Amino acid sequence: DQQVKQNSPSLSVQEGRISILNCDYTNSMFDYFLWYKKYPAEGPTFLISISSIKDKNEDGRFTVFLNKSAKHLSLHIVPSQPGDSAVYFCAASAYSSASKIIFGSGTRLSIRP
Amino acid sequence: GAGVSQSPSNKVTEKGKDVELRCDPISGHTALYWYRQSLGQGLEFLIYFQGNSAPDKSGLPSDRFSAERTGGSVSTLTIQRTQQEDSAVYLCASSLQGQESYNSPLHFGNGTRLTVT
Repeated sequence: DQQVKQNSPSLSVQEGRISILNCDYTNSMFDYFLWYKKYPAEGPTFLISISSIKDKNEDGRFTVFLNKSAKHLSLHIVPSQPGDSAVYFCAASAYSSASKIIFGSGTRLSIRP
Repeated sequence: GAGVSQSPSNKVTEKGKDVELRCDPISGHTALYWYRQSLGQGLEFLIYFQGNSAPDKSGLPSDRFSAERTGGSVSTLTIQRTQQEDSAVYLCASSLQGQESYNSPLHFGNGTRLTVT
């Protein structure tokens, strides 16, 4: 049972344009959502998060949108840069109960010149 | 360094042997996770320790896998009688997760790449 789903295994975007990565979840108890970025041979690093009391959180070039009714969140990166090429993982937890964090399968983002 | 440290970084073992993977979390972090990433796959949850609570072992794939966390700090993941399908990168992460630390994300180590031949 995959509670957090990233249905696009890969995405290619031209440098300077917007990258949009999508994530769907099934567990209505999830109230805290995170995005992580992973380079090869390194552990994932935290990028941005959002709690269920918000529908948008912005940090520089990165914005996360949450649509609770659709159980969907997305990460927008604008403008996209070559260093953004990495695997992006969506994650979720029922934070109010300090439960485990569940990750999606990841989307490989490639930024082309 | 103040990050999560995992050892060894690489481990090659023969099928049927036991292996132990070690994780040193960030000092003071109450939550500790083990995940694994098989080739071309996402992050698969294995086990979760939170403070003094009983660990959540719901992600362990078989009874050959076990983990412990001594003194609320260092953790070891043990795989007995390794199989080729156990080959993966095993990632450890820690956080201040808890009611007072709502915005504390996971900090990952660089992982242990396990190859079972």
